[in-house]
Amino acid sequence: AQSVTQPDIHITVSEGASLELRCNYSYGATPYLFWYVQSPGQGLQLLLKYFSGDTLVQGIKGFEAEFKRSQSSFNLRKPSVHWSDAAEYFCAVGPSDKLIFGTGTRLQVFP
Amino acid sequence: GAVVSQHPSWVICKSGTSVKIECRSLDFQATTMFWYRQFPKQSLMLMATSNEGSKATYEQGVEKDKFLINHASLTLSTLTVTSAHPEDSSFYICSAPTPDRPTGELFFGEGSRLTVL
Repeated sequence: AQSVTQPDIHITVSEGASLELRCNYSYGATPYLFWYVQSPGQGLQLLLKYFSGDTLVQGIKGFEAEFKRSQSSFNLRKPSVHWSDAAEYFCAVGPSDKLIFGTGTRLQVFP
Repeated sequence: GAVVSQHPSWVICKSGTSVKIECRSLDFQATTMFWYRQFPKQSLMLMATSNEGSKATYEQGVEKDKFLINHASLTLSTLTVTSAHPEDSSFYICSAPTPDRPTGELFFGEGSRLTVL
């Protein structure tokens, strides 16, 4: 079955610290992988995506993610977190017409 | 860039009434739009795919008669929650694929929060 797992429900980091949000997927074919961010009461904004090619992809707001086929993972990273990064982060897999979302990771940033 | 807009952003209604939510693609045409439902502190679940000029495709377990979807034009899809009940209270989000598919990117609306009293 196709699925996305985000093991961390809630993560708290200090401003300026590094960040890694985990995402594991189960998908039959070569996946399209996405990371979206959702601020409270808002829709989703695309941070980055992976379709093929270089397994390290750069996104907006200083985020990057690395596709590791052997680990079925697509972890999101940021070297230095800003207070404005506090939000809910969703990993998603699949083509756009059947996008499967993980349950999300809520990021809290302390000053 | 492409923008998708939803209206209203929040709505409160009485049990038994119907509520319509609009999803518009502002600067591109969308033959397909997607409707999601998000429960508090949970992920987005695809409810249905809205198709311009044809019937919507509903995901398993979604009541077609309760959640009426109409893709009236290439820029507008509507979701009508009929005879709403408190359990229908949720955050509803629409999305549309980028015009230059198959990049696979979706643009999401701001979401509509429905509260049924």
